[in-house]
Amino acid sequence: RKEVEQDPGPFNVPEGATVAFNCTYSNSASQSFFWYRQDCRKEPKLLMSVYSSGNEDGRFTAQLNRASQYISLLIRDSKLSDSATYLCAVNPGFQKLVFGTGTRLLVSP
Amino acid sequence: EAQVTQNPRYLITVTGKKLTVTCSQNMNHEYMSWYRQDPGLGLRQIYYSMNVEVTDKGDVPEGYKVSRKEKRNFPLILESPSPNQTSLYFCASSPTGRGLDQPQHFGDGTRLSIL
Repeated sequence: RKEVEQDPGPFNVPEGATVAFNCTYSNSASQSFFWYRQDCRKEPKLLMSVYSSGNEDGRFTAQLNRASQYISLLIRDSKLSDSATYLCAVNPGFQKLVFGTGTRLLVSP
Repeated sequence: EAQVTQNPRYLITVTGKKLTVTCSQNMNHEYMSWYRQDPGLGLRQIYYSMNVEVTDKGDVPEGYKVSRKEKRNFPLILESPSPNQTSLYFCASSPTGRGLDQPQHFGDGTRLSIL
């Protein structure tokens, strides 16, 4: 089983839709969690950290489910500019960050 | 401006010709890391450094070397490049590595082709 797994997609949604991605992790001792956004082979950029109680930043909501070992990202009112690949990243300890392979989102007019 | 700078951005070279990709950050970060990104495999860590003179292997260290003589610089060295090292490489840094509870800042990437 991979340390971090994501559905590669693509998720094709119309503008204004709500879309959610999940990311599962295998190490129950994992300590910190992040969502990054990556545009076509450019550098990953932090979208948001994921906190135990869940957190929201505008149209984006991140949640952590430790019991089931997954994190989620919800995007409301999708914009064309949200089209990108979304990477989850998990710190399983050992001073490393493990990334998922990414979920591709395509928002169409 | 806070940034991680990688050079070169693009490089085409031949098998066996030693090369170095430089990485420099101006944020006084302790932790630095190198990743490679390949289709279907995502970002995989090559090496990381917790601080000056402290480096350790990531998940795919074979064929690579690193050094950390100064806090700001973390070069990636390919002593004898081979075609399977053709990839997109990213350098990243974060304030500390302990617990890695802070996000990483990435450089723009280096697209490397080994013929």
